[in-house]
Amino acid sequence: DGGITQSPKYLFRKEGQNVTLSCEQNLNHDAMYWYRQDPGQGLRLIYYSQIVNDFQKGDIAEGYSVSREKKESFPLTVTSAQKNPTAFYLCASSPRSGQNEQFFGPGTRLTVL
Amino acid sequence: KQEVTQIPAALSVPEGENLVLNCSFTDSAIYNLQWFRQDPGKGLTSLLLIQSSQREQTSGRLNASLDKSSGRSTLYIAASQPGDSATYLCAVRSPNDYKLSFGAGTTVTVRA
Repeated sequence: DGGITQSPKYLFRKEGQNVTLSCEQNLNHDAMYWYRQDPGQGLRLIYYSQIVNDFQKGDIAEGYSVSREKKESFPLTVTSAQKNPTAFYLCASSPRSGQNEQFFGPGTRLTVL
Repeated sequence: KQEVTQIPAALSVPEGENLVLNCSFTDSAIYNLQWFRQDPGKGLTSLLLIQSSQREQTSGRLNASLDKSSGRSTLYIAASQPGDSATYLCAVRSPNDYKLSFGAGTTVTVRA
């Protein structure tokens, strides 16, 4: 089955810890994205990558880091510098050409203890 | 900066009634607009994508219209069912940009 997988589904972090969220896609999409969703707010873009070994900051990149070593994978690290990391994190991908429709994974809920 | 607004934030209708969901955006220079559905605690499911050159798109009971000049899109869901209960989000992509700007969503409850 083609799609986007995110793991883990739930993640708990102690203050001061770095944690990494996984995102994998087998849709052969060039572009991948990380969004953050907070209650009552629209999704906000953290980072995005249009091709392997290249990525750009989104609107709220502070306290986060990413890598794009493989086309299929775009992991997100939430660092201790992120002051309010508790949120629902969504990964998406899209083709670079054509309609660029974005497809989303099931999300990871991160809670800071 | 593109701002996307969805009003109302919540909507409750009896089963069988037609749903009308609104989305407005501040910059009419868009590349496309996407409507998504989100169930509680889940990811987003793409419903419809309308290119900037199109006026509407249809899929089954869903119809989305786009009026760029007024900065508006409307999602119509015909003959609503309890299974249509979810949050519906619209998102706009600007030209020369891969980013989507999202509205906060409209949470729909269809009462049986």
